Amino acid sequence: EDQVTQSPEALRLQEGESSSLNCSYTVSGLRGLFWYRQDPGKGPEFLFTLYSAGEEKEKERLKATLTKKESFLHITAPKPEDSATYLCAVHGGYGQNFVFGPGTRLSVLP
Amino acid sequence: GAVVSQHPSWVICKSGTSVKIECRSLDFQATTMFWYRQFPKQSLMLMATSNEGSKATYEQGVEKDKFLINHASLTLSTLTVTSAHPEDSSFYICSARHGGQGYEQYFGPGTRLTVT
Repeated sequence: EDQVTQSPEALRLQEGESSSLNCSYTVSGLRGLFWYRQDPGKGPEFLFTLYSAGEEKEKERLKATLTKKESFLHITAPKPEDSATYLCAVHGGYGQNFVFGPGTRLSVLP
Repeated sequence: GAVVSQHPSWVICKSGTSVKIECRSLDFQATTMFWYRQFPKQSLMLMATSNEGSKATYEQGVEKDKFLINHASLTLSTLTVTSAHPEDSSFYICSARHGGQGYEQYFGPGTRLTVT
């Protein structure tokens, strides 16, 4: 059974304090690992897709990396507007559905 | 690109009535659409998957007769909550996958349903 865990559950950072969020997964035949950002009361916003170990993607202050067992979302010099819940999901080799992790709630304090 | 809309954004209805939520892909054709439910401070729970022109596939524990899903075109899917009860109050979110272009799901803004 495909599984996704995320850590930490919640993270508080000072503005400018860089850190990383972890997404660990077990999946049969990874077709893709996806990162989303979700603000309260809104639908998730697509950030990145990673397909194979060693792949990296960047967007502004965010950088996502992938290994065979986990993915990291690195946040460099975060700003208060980066505060959100970050969700990780995997698409395995069977079926067409995502398996979502529980998310990491990030708060960036000014 | 890859914009998904939902309507309404919030709705209040009385117990026993039915409510329809629309999900539209605005700038792409979605061969597959998904419906999720999300409780406060929890992750998304998949309710059903629908392919255009086919019957929806429901996840275990989701009542087919209560949550009616129709995917009549490549840009529109609807979720109808029939005979709603207070326990159906939740945040419902749809997503759409662009046909033939990867596995990314693009999410709508969600619909807050409150049943009184």
